Amino acid sequence: GDSVTQMEGPVTLSEEACLTINCTYTATGYPSLFWYVQYPGEGLQLLLKATKADDKGSNKGFEATYRKETTSFHLEKGSVQVSDSAVYFCALRAGGYQKVTFGTGTKLQVIP
Amino acid sequence: KAGVTQTPRYLIKTRGQQVTLSCSPISGHRSVSWYQQTPGQGLQFLFEYFSETQRNKGNFPGRFSGRQFSNSRSEMNVSTLELGDSALYLCASSLPGTRTKNEQFFGPGTRLTVL
Repeated sequence: GDSVTQMEGPVTLSEEACLTINCTYTATGYPSLFWYVQYPGEGLQLLLKATKADDKGSNKGFEATYRKETTSFHLEKGSVQVSDSAVYFCALRAGGYQKVTFGTGTKLQVIP
Repeated sequence: KAGVTQTPRYLIKTRGQQVTLSCSPISGHRSVSWYQQTPGQGLQFLFEYFSETQRNKGNFPGRFSGRQFSNSRSEMNVSTLELGDSALYLCASSLPGTRTKNEQFFGPGTRLTVL
């Protein structure tokens, strides 16, 4: 079945440091790939997405490129802020239905 | 446009009881999906409803059920509650249609605690 593997957290960075959260996936066909963010006490927010190979999703300084050859969708940001502290989930959706398969989440803590 | 709303936000029940959670999708959205989030299992898909029909179902026991009404609002029900059912239950809505259009929007969740 479909699965998503992302790096274990927590990740602690100083403000303005570079961020990379690794994500790899297993799926049949050509899934759509997503990064969601969850702030404390809140639901999930879509951060960015990519729907086909070599697409780059970007939002709020975050980027991720759909790499079919390595089945990866790593999340990157050049300079993190304290306000980026949250849990980040890599996810995929395959087939015609709405079921989304999530990774286990990576907690990011940014310290001033 | 109002987002996805879920009620109640917090719920405390005891083992053996049953519970009903409600989700109102974004206006115009006809697909509603439910997820369970726990520290141990992460985010797991429960089921998806579209036009009052269940289209897809995850690997949960029959104690977990749902339904969707003609106005697209959805409810999920858990009967004979167990301690392990304590979780954050998230609802997501989306437009039906092509894959590039059907982004899911999540509600804030209902935090269920089973004592």
